[in-house]
Amino acid sequence: DIQMTQSPSSLSASVGDRVTITCRASQGIRNDLGWYQQKSGKAPKRLIYEASSLQSGVPSRFSGSGSGTEFTLTISSLQPEDFATYYCLQHNGYPLTFGGGTKVEIK
Amino acid sequence: EVQLVESGGGLVRPGESLRLSCAASGFTFSNYWMSWVRQAPGKGLEWVANIKHDGSDKNYVDSVKGRFTISRDNAKNSLYLQMNSLRAEDTAVYYCATIVTLSYWGQGTLVTVSS
Repeated sequence: DIQMTQSPSSLSASVGDRVTITCRASQGIRNDLGWYQQKSGKAPKRLIYEASSLQSGVPSRFSGSGSGTEFTLTISSLQPEDFATYYCLQHNGYPLTFGGGTKVEIK
Repeated sequence: EVQLVESGGGLVRPGESLRLSCAASGFTFSNYWMSWVRQAPGKGLEWVANIKHDGSDKNYVDSVKGRFTISRDNAKNSLYLQMNSLRAEDTAVYYCATIVTLSYWGQGTLVTVSS
């Protein structure tokens, strides 16, 4: 199985901060990775697909980078509506696996 | 408007069975792989199973192999998850979703396995 190690598991940040979340894959997964945002009690929403492509309708302050085993989600200027939990998901091999999640909280 | 609406969740005892359904609308259901993803209370997301457009290929996470069966009926735009021999650790919100090409998710249905 491909393990996705996501860090940090939580962070505190202020509105306007730049935030970076990392996922490391236990083996190369090309760019077969998506990033999701989940707010409490809601279904996840995809922000980024194919590691770096912005999902339609998602603000441009979200960006993704990486390929192979290391991937990054960056929020360039954190907004109040961005406080949520973020997950990466690899779809290169079965079972599909999510990272453990990063909870972004208000500082 | 795309909609995925799950149903069939509820409270069951360990060892019992449950069948989840997901009704899709607003997109060409028969063109896409479909998945079930679950989330235990207070925990992260876990992919459970997926099925190819025509039902000819299915994949499962190890923890549900032999107990859960994913299926679909493209004529009814519906996805199913038959869950047998349920365990306490299967307690979760179950989401129906397209994951790779498109990204559509239902609102989830809660399955609670408890004696």
